[in-house]
Amino acid sequence: DAKTTQPTSMDCAEGRAANLPCNHSTISGNEYVYWYRQIHSQGPQYIIHGLKNNETNEMASLIITEDRKSSTLILPHATLRDTAVYYCIVGFSQAGGTSYGKLTFGQGTILTVHP
Amino acid sequence: ETGVTQTPRHLVMGMTNKKSLKCEQHLGHNAMYWYKQSAKKPLELMFVYNFKEQTENNSVPSRFSPECPNSSHLFLHLHTLQPEDSALYLCASSQVGAFNSPLHFGNGTRLTVT
Repeated sequence: DAKTTQPTSMDCAEGRAANLPCNHSTISGNEYVYWYRQIHSQGPQYIIHGLKNNETNEMASLIITEDRKSSTLILPHATLRDTAVYYCIVGFSQAGGTSYGKLTFGQGTILTVHP
Repeated sequence: ETGVTQTPRHLVMGMTNKKSLKCEQHLGHNAMYWYKQSAKKPLELMFVYNFKEQTENNSVPSRFSPECPNSSHLFLHLHTLQPEDSALYLCASSQVGAFNSPLHFGNGTRLTVT
């Protein structure tokens, strides 16, 4: 799986948008970008994923550059409960075969939302 | 109960003890996983079970023994552990065959080996 690079930590004011960057310059054509987050003392939680188009769901938006070498996770209105470690992961489709579940988690970005 | 439930939440055991971690998923998924999260290290995949069959063992020492009696339950049997095995053990499930079914994690068992 391709490796990702994320900033170690970021701060965001409550109510503002949090934009978390991720570099994945070695991503291959059929690898997806997945985002998970882990709130203290809990297991990781799935947020969103995408291949090449921008994606949006009730939690966040994912913007993938045209060359797919980087992406940004956007939390449009951050709250204190969004304070967590955010993981950007590149991996193959989780539909089955030998790749499912084999998401390689890095160190992630510690996002701190402050009042 | 919804989601993925792990018990116990905390466990302290001596190096000569035998204990088991339990995971139950209420999502109707057909694949289950054990991950290990050590302090200051990323999550590491340990085992994968697909339709109750083990399909992945990521070079895990034999003192960790998984068991998957059905697609809803997963156990991790522990014996003669070392202090460096102290970590957060996370169980996850997903639906293999469903396009990009995300992993659903439990909240883990915090294991301390003394």
